[in-house]
Amino acid sequence: DQQVKQNSPSLSVQEGRISILNCDYTNSMFDYFLWYKKYPAEGPTFLISISSIKDKNEDGRFTVFLNKSAKHLSLHIVPSQPGDSAVYFCAASGNNNDMRFGAGTRLTVKP
Amino acid sequence: NAGVTQTPKFQVLKTGQSMTLQCAQDMNHNSMYWYRQDPGMGLRLIYYSASEGTTDKGEVPNGYNVSRLNKREFSLRLESAAPSQTSVYFCASSFVDREVPYFGPGTRLTVL
Repeated sequence: DQQVKQNSPSLSVQEGRISILNCDYTNSMFDYFLWYKKYPAEGPTFLISISSIKDKNEDGRFTVFLNKSAKHLSLHIVPSQPGDSAVYFCAASGNNNDMRFGAGTRLTVKP
Repeated sequence: NAGVTQTPKFQVLKTGQSMTLQCAQDMNHNSMYWYRQDPGMGLRLIYYSASEGTTDKGEVPNGYNVSRLNKREFSLRLESAAPSQTSVYFCASSFVDREVPYFGPGTRLTVL
């Protein structure tokens, strides 16, 4: 059963505009959320995280928003750059080591 | 400082063959993980080791065994490979459990 869902397999945006990637989860025990970026033939690279005690975390061009009541998180990238083109995975974990990942969203940033 | 390294990068097996995927980290991390990535499924945890000397099953452990050889190394063994085990395998490590896992470059395994 997929406890973390990324319902958009792909997203295309213009350079300089905002990219918004969405993620939904079903397990109310999840309290730590992460975003990873993955280029082809490489391992996932950690991007940004947020714990359930916060509703926003910002790091440069990347901001993650958490809506606990809706069990929804989103990653905002602004401004988007061609080098941001990659697959983005959201992940969630609770009080154990079992981190669950979404299926990923392929972001394409067009010059 | 190489981070997390995995060998081999690619492997092709026949059904029923066995092999071991190797993983090593040089970040002095305590926890190590094995994931598999399949199209449309994201990454799924196979096994993890919270600390040297301990291993636990993850979401999809069937058909696999692991060994935490020492603090640096965590291997994944397929005793009798099946086509359903065709996947990309990622090893990861973190300083302690519940910290951010850092991933290796992956091993692409094909079972014919």
